[in-house]
Amino acid sequence: GAVVSQHPSWVICKSGTSVKIECRSLDFQATTMFWYRQFPKQSLMLMATSNEGSKATYEQGVEKDKFLINHASLTLSTLTVTSAHPEDSSFYICSASYLAGEHYGRNEQFFGPGTRLTVL
Amino acid sequence: DAKTTQPPSMDCAEGRAANLPCNHSTISGNEYVYWYRQIHSQGPQYIIHGLKNNETNEMASLIITEDRKSSTLILPHATLRDTAVYYCIVRLEDSWGKLQFGAGTQVVVTP
Repeated sequence: GAVVSQHPSWVICKSGTSVKIECRSLDFQATTMFWYRQFPKQSLMLMATSNEGSKATYEQGVEKDKFLINHASLTLSTLTVTSAHPEDSSFYICSASYLAGEHYGRNEQFFGPGTRLTVL
Repeated sequence: DAKTTQPPSMDCAEGRAANLPCNHSTISGNEYVYWYRQIHSQGPQYIIHGLKNNETNEMASLIITEDRKSSTLILPHATLRDTAVYYCIVRLEDSWGKLQFGAGTQVVVTP
């Protein structure tokens, strides 16, 4: 259980275009979804947190107008990179979490396989 | 927010136990210690987590010191597929449950 998928797994686009990345929780309802970015040889950097039906909370330094997040349902969140430029080329990873009861931490996070974005 | 310190890299022989240390001296009383790993070009994979007691599952064991200022992840019989970056994370104390990843430890398992 607790499978998270991302689509597409990789995408190449031209500079100035917008790219949408989907994150789906396949076998559970995700109360919260997170979006991370990872540059080569670096760690994951949290970009934003979103709850279903409400606006995303962005980390400091992340442009909310450039990285649009929509969390329309308990199983789907989308990240749209608007007017992409070569410096936006990165590995984008989502995670989804749900409340798991008192024995565990407040909620568990399960990660998608990531989306490799290359902007030419 | 509690931060963690891990060695940047570690080599391990296949079949041997791998002991990965993590320091989290500023951890607060109700923060959990989580371990994730990331195999190259994949999303992170949950390994194990704990609060104060030692934990074991099918993947690994987690040993947390009594003062909770450090912990050790033990992979009992390392295989080549265990080669990955291992992240020790202390869960932030907020309702969102955010995970802040540090640099992690690059573990290379050699034949």
